[in-house]
Amino acid sequence: GAVVSQHPSRVICKSGTSVKIECRSLDFQATTMFWYRQFPKKSLMLMATSNEGSKATYEQGVEKDKFLINHASLTLSTLTVTSAHPEDSSFYICSARDHLATLTDTQYFGPGTRLTVL
Amino acid sequence: GNSVTQMEGPVTLSEEAFLTINCTYTATGYPSLFWYVQYPGEGLQLLLKATKADDKGSNKGFEATYRKETTSFHLEKGSVQVSDSAVYFCALRMNYGGSQGNLIFGKGTKLSVKP
Repeated sequence: GAVVSQHPSRVICKSGTSVKIECRSLDFQATTMFWYRQFPKKSLMLMATSNEGSKATYEQGVEKDKFLINHASLTLSTLTVTSAHPEDSSFYICSARDHLATLTDTQYFGPGTRLTVL
Repeated sequence: GNSVTQMEGPVTLSEEAFLTINCTYTATGYPSLFWYVQYPGEGLQLLLKATKADDKGSNKGFEATYRKETTSFHLEKGSVQVSDSAVYFCALRMNYGGSQGNLIFGKGTKLSVKP
């Protein structure tokens, strides 16, 4: 099946620094990519939807200036957590939709990135 | 709003035991329903789906039936294996004509199968 990778898989940073997380579709082109956040024992919460070459659409309550999303190519989206604080510590998951399958349920997920802010 | 509720884990079973993971949903229309599985260290993978009432999704011995009357989509497997140990997520997606809404997930249920 299609593969989506995330890098890094785990990151620890100091409060106030910025962290960039990459999401790549390895064997298909992704017109649309999604970023989720998961707290312990909680659902995956959609943060934003990004379409290649355009601005991301953020869900209500998600600060777009804090969580910067760039989807510059059909195989790469990045999430930058700016001025990270301990409350931003979480598990971040991306997914990508195959651009050839816009009317199907073909959405592939990355393995996630564990962010810990000290 | 639309939401998904699934049974809390962890669920621990012996190999060859029968598995049921309950999932119920609340939706303002008629969603598509999904079960995703996340094996350790991997991303979520679509396990099965059903797009309308009374549909049964099945894959790898797992089954779930879309029950509109009870707004449920319970996951079942007759005989689990150690390799089924994973976290299982129930999800729904609303359909708006020709376009799709976003996936809405339950909290996930961790399954551990002991030999």
